[in-house]
Amino acid sequence: AQTVTQSQPEMSVQEAETVTLSCTYDTSESDYYLFWYKQPPSRQMILVIRQEAYKQQNATENRFSVNFQKAAKSFSLKISDSQLGDAAMYFCAYRGPGTASKLTFGTGTRLQVTL
Amino acid sequence: NAGVTQTPKFRILKIGQSMTLQCAQDMNHNYMYWYRQDPGMGLKLIYYSVGAGITDKGEVPNGYNVSRSTTEDFPLRLELAAPSQTSVYFCASSYLLSEQYFGPGTRLTVT
Repeated sequence: AQTVTQSQPEMSVQEAETVTLSCTYDTSESDYYLFWYKQPPSRQMILVIRQEAYKQQNATENRFSVNFQKAAKSFSLKISDSQLGDAAMYFCAYRGPGTASKLTFGTGTRLQVTL
Repeated sequence: NAGVTQTPKFRILKIGQSMTLQCAQDMNHNYMYWYRQDPGMGLKLIYYSVGAGITDKGEVPNGYNVSRSTTEDFPLRLELAAPSQTSVYFCASSYLLSEQYFGPGTRLTVT
């Protein structure tokens, strides 16, 4: 079974600085997708960024980018120019091949943003 | 589009009671999912459906039932509620293999 591990329960970053959240996963598949979701205090799950395993180029979305290391099964999220609104729980998720599109989530990293 | 909607937002149940959590989506997505999120944890898949009339178990299905009679609706039924079912429940939908869109969640407490 696939597993997703987030080893940082909490992280803190100062406003305007850069922070990197770590995620590792275990799979025997070669074709899969990885996601980062943000969950603010409102509880709403918001997709931040996605990465297809067959793409070597790291995904970027404005201030958010990933460092995808397929051989190491690592998928970290970098947030640049951190803003107060970035404070939230961040979940890494894996989706394997197949038709059901099921997600396996990590346990999350709580990000605090300080002035 | 309203996206994915869930009702109720909050509910308190007594042990042994039953209830149905409602989920609806207006995006014509064929795939729908139910997750639970326990405190300090990630989401775990309870049940999912790949289309009307088709459902299957996820990682933690015990104590729950689902049905999918229409593309839009995917209710989750709790029979004989237990304290271990205290959690936040999320419904999600997706179109084929695209990203999942989540509802706002239902916070359920069983006492």
